Amino acid sequence: ELKVEQNPLFLSMQEGKNYTIYCNYSTTSDRLYWYRQDPGKSLESLFVLLSNGAVKQEGRLMASLDTKARLSTLHITAAVHDLSATYFCAVDGNFGNEKLTFGTGTRLTIIP
Amino acid sequence: EAGVTQSPTHLIKTRGQQATLRCSPISGHTSVYWYQQALGLGLQFLLWYDEGEERNRGNFPPRFSGRQFPNYSSELNVNALELEDSALYLCASSLGQYSGNTIYFGEGSWLTVV
Repeated sequence: ELKVEQNPLFLSMQEGKNYTIYCNYSTTSDRLYWYRQDPGKSLESLFVLLSNGAVKQEGRLMASLDTKARLSTLHITAAVHDLSATYFCAVDGNFGNEKLTFGTGTRLTIIP
Repeated sequence: EAGVTQSPTHLIKTRGQQATLRCSPISGHTSVYWYQQALGLGLQFLLWYDEGEERNRGNFPPRFSGRQFPNYSSELNVNALELEDSALYLCASSLGQYSGNTIYFGEGSWLTVV
């Protein structure tokens, strides 16, 4: 059974600092997704990573995928308050299965 | 362009009753997914429909069921409600299977069982 682990679970960081959220998964996969969720809201798609070495950037967020290490990272550069949210990674473990297994989420709080 | 829409936004039911949740995918999307987000349990996959057929099912009892209509909208039914069914139910859609496309989520339906 596919397992997806995120760390840290909780992260408080000061504005202007850099940090990385890690997503490890247990079986081979070629599709990894990152989502953002604000309190009481739905999931907003951030990135879809489809191959080994894929790197995508949007504003202060950059995501990468290493399928050999079964690891994805979400890097936050020069954090600002409105990045405060819960971030989830999700993995589709079997081609054609179309079942996303989500990580536990990382609750990010940016402190002024 | 309208996103994934779900109804109702909130629903309160008593234990043993049935709940029906509805979802309209983004226009042109044929795949619909249902997820449960319960407090402390994270996001759990429930069901996947594509082209009107159930393609995959998560580890949930048979009292969780659903269907997809010819217009690709979908319905999730939960029978014999239990207190632990209280959760946010999220519907999502994508262009179809095997595509690696982005999966877009709706705003969710909050189900409270009392």
